[in-house]
Amino acid sequence: NAGVTQTPKFRILKIGQSMTLQCTQDMNHNYMYWYRQDPGMGLKLIYYSVGAGITDKGEVPNGYNVSRSTTEDFPLRLELAAPSQTSVYFCASSYLDSEQFFGPGTRLTVL
Amino acid sequence: AQSVTQLDSQVPVFEEAPVELRCNYSSSVSVYLFWYVQYPNQGLQLLLKYLSGSTLVKGINGFEAEFNKSQTSFHLRKPSVHISDTAEYFCAVRDFTSGGSNYKLTFGKGTLLTVNP
Repeated sequence: NAGVTQTPKFRILKIGQSMTLQCTQDMNHNYMYWYRQDPGMGLKLIYYSVGAGITDKGEVPNGYNVSRSTTEDFPLRLELAAPSQTSVYFCASSYLDSEQFFGPGTRLTVL
Repeated sequence: AQSVTQLDSQVPVFEEAPVELRCNYSSSVSVYLFWYVQYPNQGLQLLLKYLSGSTLVKGINGFEAEFNKSQTSFHLRKPSVHISDTAEYFCAVRDFTSGGSNYKLTFGKGTLLTVNP
């Protein structure tokens, strides 16, 4: 099993551009999550999904969108990128109450 | 809302010394507790978890943690650290106050453990 994979690993965007961060898991997990990690701030939940077709906002959803058309994939869309979205983004998945499994992260810089 | 406090943002120690990383959470209702480790430029890996049962939980790489309900704490310990333990450690809590459908975790801000030779 590859676990949770994320692409790209690194990306530089200009202000106002848009992009999609990809996340795929092969563990047949129901739950998937997107977090952002900023230095000294821990992880903040952006969006989560409890199954295909069902998504909900986390703590910091503004400026982001998600979709969940399949169990495996949970892409995160940034529209009109802003410098405040410079961060490391982690995707995670879990099977109900079990621990979350994390991907390797995407480091995004908005200039 | 649940909050998680990791009391030390940085902990420097010498190799083979014992270490304790502290974690306190706000809610006293039923909780699940986790410690994750993040090595440089990597994602988070689970070290150990408390779901129920014995309050002393053993994890990977010789780490253990003790759940103390009365003090709402879940401190992480290792009796003798190695250089390779240098990493950032995150405490996380899932509580049940929002109902059974809430599987979200609340993370602390992290503790950077630096092990020096």
